[in-house]
Amino acid sequence: GAGVSQTPSNKVTEKGKYVELRCDPISGHTALYWYRQSLGQGPEFLIYFQGTGAADDSGLPNDRFFAVRPEGSVSTLKIQRTERGDSAVYLCASSLRAGGTYEQYFGPGTRLTVT
Amino acid sequence: AQSVAQPEDQVNVAEGNPLTVKCTYSVSGNPYLFWYVQYPNRGLQFLLKYITGDNLVKGSYGFEAEFNKSQTSFHLKKPSALVSDSALYFCAVRDAAAGNKLTFGGGTRVLVKP
Repeated sequence: GAGVSQTPSNKVTEKGKYVELRCDPISGHTALYWYRQSLGQGPEFLIYFQGTGAADDSGLPNDRFFAVRPEGSVSTLKIQRTERGDSAVYLCASSLRAGGTYEQYFGPGTRLTVT
Repeated sequence: AQSVAQPEDQVNVAEGNPLTVKCTYSVSGNPYLFWYVQYPNRGLQFLLKYITGDNLVKGSYGFEAEFNKSQTSFHLKKPSALVSDSALYFCAVRDAAAGNKLTFGGGTRVLVKP
């Protein structure tokens, strides 16, 4: 079946602009996660949703970052007033349920470049 | 707090030889441990996981990993490496008692030479 999809695959924006990154999880998966991967590093947790609600947003670096999942399926990560340090690959993952033994399945990522 | 260490930035191995990628972890409670592989311009692919039970876990593409509680390690192994195994490998841990986020190691690049 279809995996996790993310759009766009690449996004170039100017410093100070607003961007939205979209994630479509695997159908039927109730948990959705956002990670950020900087060059040469492992993914770092940002936020996760169980259904429509953000269950843990402790990884969001500051209040410029926000994510929603209004209908419990598609999620959008929103970054306001982008900075050059926001440049990274943003990964989305989903799992059948949150917690327990469920592995997370990752999308291909959105490469964000802030110039 | 939970953390993962992958002490080797790169592992070089000849095709047909055994492959080992090292991982150690730190958690407060019981660990759930995972290995993922990342190919260029592609997302992370799940390889295997340890939750409980048998310390030797078998996964995709002939990979296996051994959980060692006393050494807090979860090394990834493959008896006979293929050139196509060349990729970036990530170990990750979730503290069973502390939420659902994964904490990843920094990754180990594996290069299998023909």
